[in-house]
Amino acid sequence: DADVTQTPRNRITKTGKRIMLECSQTKGHDRMYWYRQDPGLGLRLIYYSFDVKDINKGEISDGYSVSRQAQAKFSLSLESAIPNQTALYFCATSDQGDTGELFFGEGSRLTVL
Amino acid sequence: GDSVTQMEGPVTLSEEAFLTINCTYTATGYPSLFWYVQYPGEGLQLLLKATKADDKGSNKGFEATYRKETTSFHLEKGSVQVSDSAVYFCALNTQAGGTSYGKLTFGQGTILTVHP
Repeated sequence: DADVTQTPRNRITKTGKRIMLECSQTKGHDRMYWYRQDPGLGLRLIYYSFDVKDINKGEISDGYSVSRQAQAKFSLSLESAIPNQTALYFCATSDQGDTGELFFGEGSRLTVL
Repeated sequence: GDSVTQMEGPVTLSEEAFLTINCTYTATGYPSLFWYVQYPGEGLQLLLKATKADDKGSNKGFEATYRKETTSFHLEKGSVQVSDSAVYFCALNTQAGGTSYGKLTFGQGTILTVHP
């Protein structure tokens, strides 16, 4: 089983719908992240959490919210999806050390019609 | 703010050709530098890293040297294989005052396709 698991892997929805992407990890890491990947733009940070009580906005948080339900779970919500939120979303984790290495899930492809 | 710029892609090579993917950065503080690779249908995984100037990261035949004077971290491989076809991302992690914030800034990615 993957260390970082994302569900769903693929989702097609309509404009205005609420969507939740879930992430769970078995690595025991405190730090979790949500990134968005768009062609030609690389990965951009949406939200990050350094522990259960710590939630921080990234560079593109507008239109998104997150919940850190437990050390191992970090979910991303789109309250009212719009077409320009169509993208590939990645959850990632890291430990507290200074290695800077992120461990990624396999991604959730979201299409908003 | 911090930024990473990679060479434009896509890059198409024949098997056993030499590979270079350029990466330059701007950052405050003393960044650590990374190359991540994304194989088709998968998440990103760390390929190699360097944490201070003149360090060389290496893995799977790939190498990159942290050049502070030119703010660069170019990825090289002497002989590519079909299995190296993937998207490659350069990234940095700025540390300030000795503390890692754990947030990476990524370049836009370079698609590499290797033909037999």
